[in-house]
Amino acid sequence: QVHLVESGGGVVQPGTSLTLSCAASGFTFSTYGMNWVRQAPGKGLEWVALISYAGSNKYYADSVKGRFTISRDNTKNILYLQMNNLRAEDTAVYYCAKDRFLELPGAMDVWGQGTTVTVSS
Amino acid sequence: DIQMTQSPSTLSASVGDRVTITCRASQSIGGWLAWYQQRPGKAPKLLMYKASSLESGVPSRFSGSGFGTEFTLTISSLQTDDFATYYCQQYNSYSWTFGQGTKVEIK
Repeated sequence: QVHLVESGGGVVQPGTSLTLSCAASGFTFSTYGMNWVRQAPGKGLEWVALISYAGSNKYYADSVKGRFTISRDNTKNILYLQMNNLRAEDTAVYYCAKDRFLELPGAMDVWGQGTTVTVSS
Repeated sequence: DIQMTQSPSTLSASVGDRVTITCRASQSIGGWLAWYQQRPGKAPKLLMYKASSLESGVPSRFSGSGFGTEFTLTISSLQTDDFATYYCQQYNSYSWTFGQGTKVEIK
C-alpha cells in the first residue's frame, strides 16, 4: 500500500523556522519526484516545491523562493521541507505528494493526510 | 507564472445531472493538465492527467478534454460521492499552478 505521512507541523511565531517531514512507504521512493503543496484555511491549493527523484533538481513557487528548502533522503525514504523566516501567510495545511510518473513531474497521484502549520504571534 | 482560471466557482446540480467545469490557462500548456477532486477535510485525489487520461480506479463517468489553453472536466451523471471541490493544475512549466477550484454543491 502506497503511503505518505507528514509530520512536523505546529504553531510558530513569525520569523522563526520549522522543518516538515514526509515518510514514504509502499513504492520505490528513490525513483519518483516529490512535491509539497499547501492549502491555506478556506482557500485553494498552492504548489510549493518539487524535488527530482535523485534530489539534483529543485523548483520553488515564487512565494517561498529563498525561504524554503526541499530535500530528500532516499536511504530513509523521507522528504523534507525546511521553512525559514515564516510569515503569517504561510499558515496552511502542508501536503506531500508523489509524482504520477517516473521522470515526468507534474501530475501527483499519491498524497499524504497533511500537517498543519500556523504562523502567529 | 501561468495563471489557471476555473469556471464556474460554484455549481449547483442534482444527482444524475451532466456537469462540465472549464479551466483556462493564461498561455498554452499543451496537454499538460491534471484534474483533482477534494472532499472537505481530505487530501486531493487525482482524477485525470495529460488532460484526458483517466487515473486508474476513477469511475468512467469522469472525462477530460482540451489542449492549449482551454480544458474541460465532465461528469456524465453526477453521483452523491461527486459533491466536492475540483481543481485543475498545469504542469507545463516548472512552477505548477492550480485553478482556484470549483465547488459542486447539491441543488
